[in-house]
This record gives sequence, structure tokens and C-alpha cells, in this order.
Amino acid sequence: GQQLNQSPQSMFIQEGEDVSMNCTSSSIFNTWLWYKQEPGEGPVLLIALYKAGELTSNGRLTAQFGITRKDSFLNISASIPSDVGIYFCAGHNAGNNRKLIWGLGTSLAVNP
Amino acid sequence: EAQVTQNPRYLITVTGKKLTVTCSQNMNHEYMSWYRQDPGLGLRQIYYSMNVEVTDKGDVPEGYKVSRKEKRNFPLILESPSPNQTSLYFCASSRVLAGGPHEQYFGPGTRLTVT
Repeated sequence: GQQLNQSPQSMFIQEGEDVSMNCTSSSIFNTWLWYKQEPGEGPVLLIALYKAGELTSNGRLTAQFGITRKDSFLNISASIPSDVGIYFCAGHNAGNNRKLIWGLGTSLAVNP
Repeated sequence: EAQVTQNPRYLITVTGKKLTVTCSQNMNHEYMSWYRQDPGLGLRQIYYSMNVEVTDKGDVPEGYKVSRKEKRNFPLILESPSPNQTSLYFCASSRVLAGGPHEQYFGPGTRLTVT
């Protein structure tokens, strides 16, 4: 099935640094969702985006729905050790909204 | 508390021995789905259900069955498990918005090992 291109694949940063990751698609999307998965747990929804150009924040996290509708970005400011985990993007393809399309995830490690 | 529950959380079984992983949600969601997660492959959808008695194949349905007799439950059945079905399985549920799943809520996962 179709997958999103998510980058970077992994990141190792120092506590306090800002983080940026992104997802791109070859087709237009109607929805972009960002999830975080911690070890031993299921993914948890962080931010949902529904409109091209939309910029939404959740604490230190900010995500944007790209104006081309083919990409999305997630930024984490002033990272802390509990930000460790795998971040996934997902979305609804405009041509088939019966299932979510997923990226392969960005693994984030934070050095205290 | 709104949640998706899965049982068992861990299961070790042998090739060919039928098993069922249960999934239940208490949010009255129409949409339910099963995913498997393998290293380097992300989350791959096995089956999904848009509502009671309505199920459809995802990207990797081979070797799996599902049923949706009640809105809250969506069991995953492996009739004859094989070692390549060793994986981490997640159930998820959501409302349906504009004909598709809205924001999905995930269960805690079931780690299955088939020897």
C-alpha cells in the first residue's frame, strides 16, 4: 500500500534543542495527523490538521499542513528527555479516505 | 475512561494453533482497525471495519480473519498462525468523518510470537 515519506528516519539530539521532522506525499491529502509512540505502548495522537496552511500547537509541539496539501511538518521546541519516542505522520489521501496512510516514523533520542 | 483494550498483551504460541486477539472500545466508535508493526516497516493495516457487519481488507490481510458482530468489539483471528505472523499488533478505533476514519485511538498492543 501507499506510504508517506517521513524524514529524518532518526534523530539524536541534546536536551533543549529544537527538532523538526516532515512528511511528504505524492498525492493530495485531506488530513494530516501526528502521533507519538513510546516504548511498549500504542501510538497516541498529538496533533490533527484539516486545512491547507493550518498551523496548530500542542504545548511545545507545532505542526503545519502544507499549502500544497502534499506535506506536513512537526516541530518540537526545547526538547526534554520525555520527548523520546517514535513520531509517526499519517493522513487521508483525497482519493481514498477509508483508511489512513502512514509514514515509517522518526525515532527521536534526547541526551539529557 | 475512554479506551481501547486488547487481550492478551503477550502471547507465545506454536505454528498452526488457532488463536484470537480480542479488541474492545468504549467510545461508541464506528470505525475499527487492526495493524501490525514490524521493525523498519511501520504500521501496516490488516483489516478494518466501517461499522457493524462491515469489514474490508487492509494492506496485509493474508492469514487473518476478523468479525464485527457488535460495535464495541473487533476480534482478530489467526486460523493457522505461522512464524511470519510474529509481530506487534495494535487495534484502533475512531469515529467516521466524511466517509473515513477520524482521529484514531490505539490500544496498548499485543506482542505475538509464533514458534
